[in-house]
Amino acid sequence: DADVTQTPRNRITKTGKRIMLECSQTKGHDRMYWYRQDPGLGLRLIYYSFDVKDINKGEISDGYSVSRQAQAKFSLSLESAIPNQTALYFCASQTGEYTGELFFGEGSRLTVL
Amino acid sequence: AQSVTQPDIHITVSEGASLELRCNYSYGATPYLFWYVQSPGQGLQLLLKYFSGDTLVQGIKGFEAEFKRSQSSFNLRKPSVHWSDAAEYFCAVGGGAQKLVFGQGTRLTINP
Repeated sequence: DADVTQTPRNRITKTGKRIMLECSQTKGHDRMYWYRQDPGLGLRLIYYSFDVKDINKGEISDGYSVSRQAQAKFSLSLESAIPNQTALYFCASQTGEYTGELFFGEGSRLTVL
Repeated sequence: AQSVTQPDIHITVSEGASLELRCNYSYGATPYLFWYVQSPGQGLQLLLKYFSGDTLVQGIKGFEAEFKRSQSSFNLRKPSVHWSDAAEYFCAVGGGAQKLVFGQGTRLTINP
């Protein structure tokens, strides 16, 4: 089984719908991240959490919210999806060190029509 | 603010040829530098990282990278590429209390 699991892997939705992307990790890591990948733009940080009580905005948090339900679970929500949120979303976990490796899930591809 | 530039969006090399992917960074202090690889349909996997010591670092899959402070570069190299190396490669910089910032990525195509 994967260390970092994302669900769903693919989702097509309509403008205005609420969408939740879920992430769980079995590494026992405190730090978790949500990134968005767009062609030619690399990965951009949406939100990150250093422990269950710590949630921080990344560079592109507008239109998104997150919930850290437990050390192992970190969910990303789009309250009212719009077409320019069509992208590939990655969750990652990390040890409690800034030099630590990020472990990525396989991604959730979201299409907003 | 820290930033990473990968000048080459797409590179094509022949199988067996050598490879160098470029990465330039901007960071005010000693950076932590990383290379990740993304195979088609997969998440990102760490190839190698540098945060201190020997400026030539070895990674998985036969890759290496050299940190050159004077040039603000951390280029990735491989002496002989294999068809399985076809993927997208991301350079990232971080350090201290800073989170990782990723470059735009370089897509590598291998010709048989």
